[in-house]
Amino acid sequence: QVQLVQSGAEVKKPGASVKVSCRASGYTFKTYAIHWVRQAPGHGLEWMGWINAENGKTEYSQKFQGRVTFTRDTSASTAYMELSSLISEDTAVYYCARGGIAAAGLGYWGQGTLVTVSS
Amino acid sequence: DIVMTQSPLSLPVTPGEPASISCRSNQSLLRSNGYNYLDWYLQKPGKSPHLLIYLGSNRASGVPDRFSGSGSGSDFTLEISRVEAEDVGVYYCMQALQTRTFGQGTKLEIK
Repeated sequence: QVQLVQSGAEVKKPGASVKVSCRASGYTFKTYAIHWVRQAPGHGLEWMGWINAENGKTEYSQKFQGRVTFTRDTSASTAYMELSSLISEDTAVYYCARGGIAAAGLGYWGQGTLVTVSS
Repeated sequence: DIVMTQSPLSLPVTPGEPASISCRSNQSLLRSNGYNYLDWYLQKPGKSPHLLIYLGSNRASGVPDRFSGSGSGSDFTLEISRVEAEDVGVYYCMQALQTRTFGQGTKLEIK
């Protein structure tokens, strides 16, 4: 069965960077894009961008451009999201989600990774 | 960015009764291929979101047929024919035409 398993919770100081991993199993990793979505405490979902797992092409939300980097390791079937210059407002649960073929929705989601930014 | 607006933001429903959530975009989500690039997601309390409807009206695998999506262009609706207790949570629409954006969410609760 398809699974996306994310790395554990992180606590970071303002100005630091965080890197979250998302390990995929149960399907051919290169076939589907991986999207990243975050959710601040008590708030709604916010789309951050996506990475083409086959060729590594990325698209980022304007809001995060220049501060976020998506990468992937196809040999490990793992995608990564790195967010730099952290501020307290970056405290959120970060989700990875698998894109569908031909815009068929984000059909599978990871369990989420809580990133807390605090001095 | 395309702005997505949902209503209502809070929806108390009696079990067995129908429910309807509206989602509007500030530009058309209809592409020349005839598809509307609009998804619906449900986030149950304490859980990750999951996909209910994609491309406006296609039910995702395993989603009960009491859920249906309709609409075209910039005006969409998610309907639940008979609400069950397990349907509580926050419902989000998301446009997939351009860089994705979500609606604010609609919290469905049982009366």
